[in-house]
Amino acid sequence: GENVEQHPSTLSVQEGDSAVIKCTYSDSASNYFPWYKQELGKGPQLIIDIRSNVGEKKDQRIAVTLNKTAKHFSLHITETQPEDSAVYFCAASLPRAGNKLTFGGGTRVLVKP
Amino acid sequence: SQTIHQWPATLVQPVGSPLSLECTVEGTSNPNLYWYRQAAGRGLQLLFYSVGIGQISSEVPQNLSASRPQDRQFILSSKKLLLSDSGFYLCAWSRAGPDYGYTFGSGTRLTVV
Repeated sequence: GENVEQHPSTLSVQEGDSAVIKCTYSDSASNYFPWYKQELGKGPQLIIDIRSNVGEKKDQRIAVTLNKTAKHFSLHITETQPEDSAVYFCAASLPRAGNKLTFGGGTRVLVKP
Repeated sequence: SQTIHQWPATLVQPVGSPLSLECTVEGTSNPNLYWYRQAAGRGLQLLFYSVGIGQISSEVPQNLSASRPQDRQFILSSKKLLLSDSGFYLCAWSRAGPDYGYTFGSGTRLTVV
């Protein structure tokens, strides 16, 4: 099955700086890569996703890049703000029945004011 | 628009007692439904998923079971809870087919004492 590794597990940045979270996946057939943000005590929320036919996608201060050859994808947050503090999860899915997502282990991001 | 409801928000149950967590989705039909568990400070573990009424796939052998009696209703159950069943339980739905992100419910914090 698919395996997703996520790094780093914790990330502390100064407000205004950029944050980068990296994930690698094992199955080259994976074709959908969403990112989720989870605030304390809440369910994860989808913040951005990318499909395998696209190399980069941007939405305001967040962007995701995908390198299919190397089987890794990254989340970039620019001009970080305190409200960006949360746990972020990457995920990958294979084009099979059930649309099962395999999640990375999560990155706890702390933005210091 | 689609909404997902999950209840209760918190639950404290004694060891050996039964469990029933309910999740319902509104505003869509034939969704894929998922149950995840998240241990404190840990990642997301897929427990069960369902692509249709009465169709349940189990990802991890355990003390829990799931049922889907109606198209938009997903129930997580246990006959006898263990201490190790404590955690944050999340229900999620996605559109049928590949390449769709999940929408998570708000979660149930279960503490087994």
